[in-house]
Amino acid sequence: EPEVTQTPSHQVTQMGQEVILRCVPISNHLYFYWYRQILGQKVEFLVSFYNNEISEKSEIFDDQFSVERPDGSNFTLKIRSTKLEDSAMYFCASTLNRGYTFGSGTRLTVV
Amino acid sequence: QQQVKQSPQSLIVQKGGIPIINCAYENTAFDYFPWYQQFPGKGPALLIAIRPDVSEKKEGRFTISFNKSAKQFSLHIMDSQPGDSATYFCAASKGSNYQLIWGAGTKLIIKP
Repeated sequence: EPEVTQTPSHQVTQMGQEVILRCVPISNHLYFYWYRQILGQKVEFLVSFYNNEISEKSEIFDDQFSVERPDGSNFTLKIRSTKLEDSAMYFCASTLNRGYTFGSGTRLTVV
Repeated sequence: QQQVKQSPQSLIVQKGGIPIINCAYENTAFDYFPWYQQFPGKGPALLIAIRPDVSEKKEGRFTISFNKSAKQFSLHIMDSQPGDSATYFCAASKGSNYQLIWGAGTKLIIKP
């Protein structure tokens, strides 16, 4: 069964550093998303991406965040200057017709 | 109006019992209501989903009941098993951007 692949599975970074979280969505999917989940809390929408541009973003997705689909297969989330409160599980998802497939997530720890 | 309220926060059921998890929404523009199952350390996995023109949908041991007038929907798990122990999230979406609005999650434990 096709999978959404995320790397790395765990990243530890110092506050103020830049991180790039990587995702390989399912190849024929058209919509791509980043969500995050702070430990034990609800899943929060960050951004959706369609047709090579952001289609919607939440208030969490401020100027510190950016997304790219650099080569037609990868989908990245960059956090320019990480804060302690960015520590969370970050999930990439893709869909063709509303049945999201999520990756296993990247646990980001900001110290 | 964007919220989806989920209850209970946690639930313990004996094996073979029927756990029921409830969700309520306000925004009548929502037109897609999925349930996700999440195991520790894993991403959410789609279990079952329903649209508002249907009052019930079954897939295996999982059933969604949908009450459009009350703006509520619920997940029932028939013949529950210890392997069903997980966190369950309801969600809702509207429009073409497919953004999901999530409930807070229910931690379900099925006792052997």
